[in-house]
Amino acid sequence: KQEVTQIPAALSVPEGENLVLNCSFTDSAIYNLQWFRQDPGKGLTSLLLIQSSQREQTSGRLNASLDKSSGRSTLYIAASQPGDSATYLCAPLRTGGFKTIFGAGTRLFVKA
Amino acid sequence: GAVVSQHPSWVICKSGTSVKIECRSLDFQATTMFWYRQFPKQSLMLMATSNEGSKATYEQGVEKDKFLINHASLTLSTLTVTSAHPEDSSFYICSARGGKNNEQFFGPGTRLTVL
Repeated sequence: KQEVTQIPAALSVPEGENLVLNCSFTDSAIYNLQWFRQDPGKGLTSLLLIQSSQREQTSGRLNASLDKSSGRSTLYIAASQPGDSATYLCAPLRTGGFKTIFGAGTRLFVKA
Repeated sequence: GAVVSQHPSWVICKSGTSVKIECRSLDFQATTMFWYRQFPKQSLMLMATSNEGSKATYEQGVEKDKFLINHASLTLSTLTVTSAHPEDSSFYICSARGGKNNEQFFGPGTRLTVL
């Protein structure tokens, strides 16, 4: 059974800092892995998707890396802004699976 | 990214009534759709998974007779909360997976309040 752990659980930083959010998963037989953000009272927004054959994906100030063999993914946020404040969730999809398993998320607060 | 819509965005109903929530994938065909619920400051909890034209697969502890899911087409799924009670008050979010990368997209959620 896939288990997903995200560290840290919460993070509060001043604006402008570069951030690292960590995700680890127990079953490395994944098809892809997505990073999402969720704003309070809203649905989830897909940020990045990494296929199992890829090692990283970039979108603007966001960069996600994947090390499938060690069961880890990292989301880097460069030059953080108050608008980045949200809960960030990683979700690996098991090969041949239907369900995406979510971690509990990292709650980020960026202070102006 | 692809768009998933949900309707209504919020609903208030009396205890004992039924509420239907619609979920649509607007610009792609969803091979699989999901329904989640989320209580304040808690993680998403998967309720059920459905594929078009087949019965939904419910997670352990989710009452299939209370939470009726219909996946009528590749772009539409509905969740009906039957005989709703105050403890059913929650944030319900649908999700759809499809496309060449098998990416998952989420709707904006529906806030259900049962009085």
